[in-house]
Amino acid sequence: GENVEQHPSTLSVQEGDSAVIKCTYSDSASNYFPWYKQELGKGPQLIIDIRSNVGEKKDQRIAVTLNKTAKHFSLHITETQPEDSAVYFCAALKAAGNKLTFGGGTRVLVKP
Amino acid sequence: EPEVTQTPSHQVTQMGQEVILRCVPISNHLYFYWYRQILGQKVEFLVSFYNNEISEKSEIFDDQFSVERPDGSNFTLKIRSTKLEDSAMYFCASRQGSGPLRNQPQHFGDGTRLSIL
Repeated sequence: GENVEQHPSTLSVQEGDSAVIKCTYSDSASNYFPWYKQELGKGPQLIIDIRSNVGEKKDQRIAVTLNKTAKHFSLHITETQPEDSAVYFCAALKAAGNKLTFGGGTRVLVKP
Repeated sequence: EPEVTQTPSHQVTQMGQEVILRCVPISNHLYFYWYRQILGQKVEFLVSFYNNEISEKSEIFDDQFSVERPDGSNFTLKIRSTKLEDSAMYFCASRQGSGPLRNQPQHFGDGTRLSIL
């Protein structure tokens, strides 16, 4: 089955700096890649997603890139703010599939 | 913005007891899911449900587990005889996903923390 690896597991950045989180997946049939942000005591909240027919997608300070050949995708957060502090999860879903396969999560701390 | 709601937020149960976790998916969504996250581990898929039947389930989802949509709004996960290793955070999710929009995002609730004593 699909396996998603996520790095780093923790990331500490200064406010205003950029943060990058990387994920790799194993199943070339995966074609949908969402990113979720989880704050303390809350469930995962979708922040951005990308489909395999697109190489890059941007939404304000957040961008995601996808390299299908290498089977990896990354989340980029620019101009980080303290409210960006949370756990971020990447995930992958296969075409015609149902289940999301999650990475292990990255705990991001933005220091003021 | 519509959201998935889960109750209770925390459930403490004795080992061997039955537990029912409840979810109210977003109202126009057609696909429903349960995931769980054991402390310190990845979020894992348990089961998906569509058109009043299970569409996919993982190896974790054995005979001790069942799901039901008892009415037009609730979606429940039942664990018949809980074990210590069932202690985890359980998340419900739903998605709209029909026709060409089948890969619509899954939206998650805030979870139920299940503690088995």
